Amino acid sequence: AQTVTQSQPEMSVQEAETVTLSCTYDTSENNYYLFWYKQPPSRQMILVIRQEAYKQQNATENRFSVNFQKAAKSFSLKISDSQLGDTAMYFCAFMKDTGNQFYFGTGTSLTVIP
Amino acid sequence: GAGVSQSPSNKVTEKGKDVELRCDPISGHTALYWYRQSLGQGLEFLIYFQGNSAPDKSGLPSDRFSAERTGGSVSTLTIQRTQQEDSAVYLCASSLVRQATEKLFFGSGTQLSVL
Repeated sequence: AQTVTQSQPEMSVQEAETVTLSCTYDTSENNYYLFWYKQPPSRQMILVIRQEAYKQQNATENRFSVNFQKAAKSFSLKISDSQLGDTAMYFCAFMKDTGNQFYFGTGTSLTVIP
Repeated sequence: GAGVSQSPSNKVTEKGKDVELRCDPISGHTALYWYRQSLGQGLEFLIYFQGNSAPDKSGLPSDRFSAERTGGSVSTLTIQRTQQEDSAVYLCASSLVRQATEKLFFGSGTQLSVL
């Protein structure tokens, strides 16, 4: 079975600063995909960034980047130049290459302080 | 439509009643997912539809839960004889292709409260 662990229930960061959200996962699979989703108060989940396990290069999307450590099964999200609109719940998710199920962590509530 | 639409946005019901939750995916999206988000928990997979294939029901928590997808478009999640532990946000998502490694589009969910 696949499990995803987010050990930080809540975090806060000053506007314009950098914050890192942690995520670890457990799997016996070799090929899989990792995701970070953002859920603002509107409840609508939005894909932030995606990483394919077979790619060694860390994914980057504008102010968002990941630190993917496959051997350690770690997948952290770094948000640079934090903005007030980044305030949301952030979920880490795992999906097998051959599957159709997402396995989600319990989320980290991020608050950006003006 | 422009996005995944779910209705109702909020539903309050009494224990023992049946409820129906609706999801209208993005037009042309062949894959549709239902997830449950309980307070303080991650998202729990419920069911997956892909085209005309038999749905993957492996995540449904009990036989009180069922879902259908008519004409490969709109989906309805039905919970019979609701219990208080069914209280949660029910999220629907759709994507264009089978593998969710493509982008998933989520609706805003239905907040279900069972009194």
